[in-house]
Amino acid sequence: GNSVTQMEGPVTLSEEAFLTINCTYTATGYPSLFWYVQYPGEGLQLLLKATKADDKGSNKGFEATYRKETTSFHLEKGSVQVSDSAVYFCALRSNDYKLSFGAGTTVTVRA
Amino acid sequence: EAGVTQFPSHSVIEKGQTVTLRCDPISGHDNLYWYRRVMGKEIKFLLHFVKESKQDESGMPNNRFLAERTGGTYSTLKVQPAELEDSGVYFCASSRQGWDGYTFGSGTRLTVV
Repeated sequence: GNSVTQMEGPVTLSEEAFLTINCTYTATGYPSLFWYVQYPGEGLQLLLKATKADDKGSNKGFEATYRKETTSFHLEKGSVQVSDSAVYFCALRSNDYKLSFGAGTTVTVRA
Repeated sequence: EAGVTQFPSHSVIEKGQTVTLRCDPISGHDNLYWYRRVMGKEIKFLLHFVKESKQDESGMPNNRFLAERTGGTYSTLKVQPAELEDSGVYFCASSRQGWDGYTFGSGTRLTVV
């Protein structure tokens, strides 16, 4: 079956630091990969996505590249801000409409 | 357009009681999904409606959970009787026909004491 493993948190950073959250997956077929973000008090929002190998998703300064050879989709941002404090979820969709999520990584950015 | 609305946002109930969660999808979205996150773990799929029909309920944990979507509009998820392990955040999401991504609601935080 499908599964997603992401880096455990919590992660605490200073502003302008580099952020990486590792995500690896197991899936049948050729899944689409996603990063969702949940800001405090809000719902899940799609941050970025990639639908095939070597695609790079990007949004709000975040990037992630679909690496089929390493079954990974690591999230990166070069310079985080306090407003990036949130819970980040890696997810995949295989052949149906269901999403399989990782456990989430809580990121706190300090001024 | 209005987003996916869930209520209540928080609910605290005693073990053995009944709780009903409601989700109002975006108007015109045929697909409606329920997910939940228990105790800081991964978010897990519960079920999928297409209009008023249950397309996939493979993630429903047991028969204490009952989901309905009368008339293909809003959906309810009833837990009866609630157990301690049901505590978590219940998310609803909706989408148009086919796959064009989900829009999630803000979730209902359920605490069973």
